[in-house]
Amino acid sequence: EPEVTQTPSHQVTQMGQEVILRCVPISNHLYFYWYRQILGQKVEFLVSFYNNEISEKSEIFDDQFSVERPDGSNFTLKIRSTKLEDSAMYFCASSESPVGYEQYFGPGTRLTVT
Amino acid sequence: LAKTTQPISMDSYEGQEVNITCSHNNIATNDYITWYQQFPSQGPRFIIQGYKTKVTNEVASLFIPADRKSSTLSLPRVSLSDTAVYYCLVGEAGNTGKLIFGQGTTLQVKP
Repeated sequence: EPEVTQTPSHQVTQMGQEVILRCVPISNHLYFYWYRQILGQKVEFLVSFYNNEISEKSEIFDDQFSVERPDGSNFTLKIRSTKLEDSAMYFCASSESPVGYEQYFGPGTRLTVT
Repeated sequence: LAKTTQPISMDSYEGQEVNITCSHNNIATNDYITWYQQFPSQGPRFIIQGYKTKVTNEVASLFIPADRKSSTLSLPRVSLSDTAVYYCLVGEAGNTGKLIFGQGTTLQVKP
C-alpha cells in the first residue's frame, strides 16, 4: 500500500535556527498538507498546497513558515527562525482530491526546539 | 465546518463492540461525516466516511440517522490494538482540503 513518508523522524534544533522538514507524498496525489500537533493537544491545520501554490493557510502559518515542492516527489516545510513554541509533531498529508476527507498522513517529524 | 461533540474518553474490554457517538446539530446539506483514528506518536488515519444511513468497511461501521444530527462509529470486537484517539469530522472540505480536528475520543481497550 502506498504511503506518505517523512524525514527526519526527529529533529532537535536551537531557537532561532532554520529547519526544513521533508515529505514524500503518495505519487499520484496532487494535494498536499502540513499539520502540527503540540504534545497533548489536537491536530492543527497549517497549510494546503496544490499546483505549486498555497491553497489555504491557517493563522499559525505566519511569515516564518514556507512550503515548497522542489521537485516531482518532495514537499517541504521550512521554519525560518524556530521558537520554543514550534516544538511539536509535524505531519504531512496528501490526497487525490480536496473534496471529501480522505487524506493520507505520514508518520510525522518530531521537532524539538531548545 | 459543523461543530462536533464527542465523549472525551471511553473504556472497553477486548472482544466487546464499541460505539462512539458524535453530535453535529448544525450539519449542512453538503456535509459528509468522516472518522479518523490516531495512535500515539503517529499521524491520523482515515477510517470511514458517510453521508446518510449506514456505511460498513473492513474496519468499522458508521450509522447515521435520518436527521444526520449525530453519527455513531461502531468498532466490532475491539482488541488492545484499537486503543487510540478517534476523531469525528463533519463538513465539506471544499477546494482546499483543510481538516479541522477536535479533541477526539480516547478509547482505552483493556484486557
